[in-house]
Amino acid sequence: NAGVMQNPRHLVRRRGQEARLRCSPMKGHSHVYWYRQLPEEGLKFMVYLQKENIIDESGMPKERFSAEFPKEGPSILRIQQVVRGDSAAYFCASSQGQGGTEAFFGQGTRLTVV
Amino acid sequence: AQSVTQLDSQVPVFEEAPVELRCNYSSSVSVYLFWYVQYPNQGLQLLLKYLSGSTLVKGINGFEAEFNKSQTSFHLRKPSVHISDTAEYFCAVSPAAYKLSFGAGTTVTVRA
Repeated sequence: NAGVMQNPRHLVRRRGQEARLRCSPMKGHSHVYWYRQLPEEGLKFMVYLQKENIIDESGMPKERFSAEFPKEGPSILRIQQVVRGDSAAYFCASSQGQGGTEAFFGQGTRLTVV
Repeated sequence: AQSVTQLDSQVPVFEEAPVELRCNYSSSVSVYLFWYVQYPNQGLQLLLKYLSGSTLVKGINGFEAEFNKSQTSFHLRKPSVHISDTAEYFCAVSPAAYKLSFGAGTTVTVRA
């Protein structure tokens, strides 16, 4: 059973370009979470999605960031018009349910904006 | 809202010595508690979790943690570390919902 798969592992974008980060949850998991890890900091919650629904996006920046988890296919975190401050590691996690059930993390996508 | 404070940002330790990583949290509601490990350029791996019951929780790789409700702490311990334990360790809390709130992390460096 494959774990949480994120791609690409490394992504370099020039300022002003778009970044698309993909996350395929573990088989049987319908809950997906995105976290961002800035240098020298812990992970910060961004968004929680279930299939076709955004449950909580309270951690998402108000502009340029969006996320989706379609009925078919991976979850996508999209960053438009990237800036240098967006450089970070973005982790996706998935779980079977809520309430303390274990969230399994992917290996992350390291975004570098040049 | 919840917050997590990891009291040590760097912990150097010699191989086969014990190690303790300190974690304090604050929350207005009951929470679940977790410790994750992150090896260089890897994702996070769950070491152990406290949901309810016994306050002493045993995890993988010989780690254990003790939940202290009165002190709102969840310190992680290992009696004898190996070189392979060199990594970053994150304490996290989650209310009876879904969001994990992470501490800033503790980097453990094990030296021979």
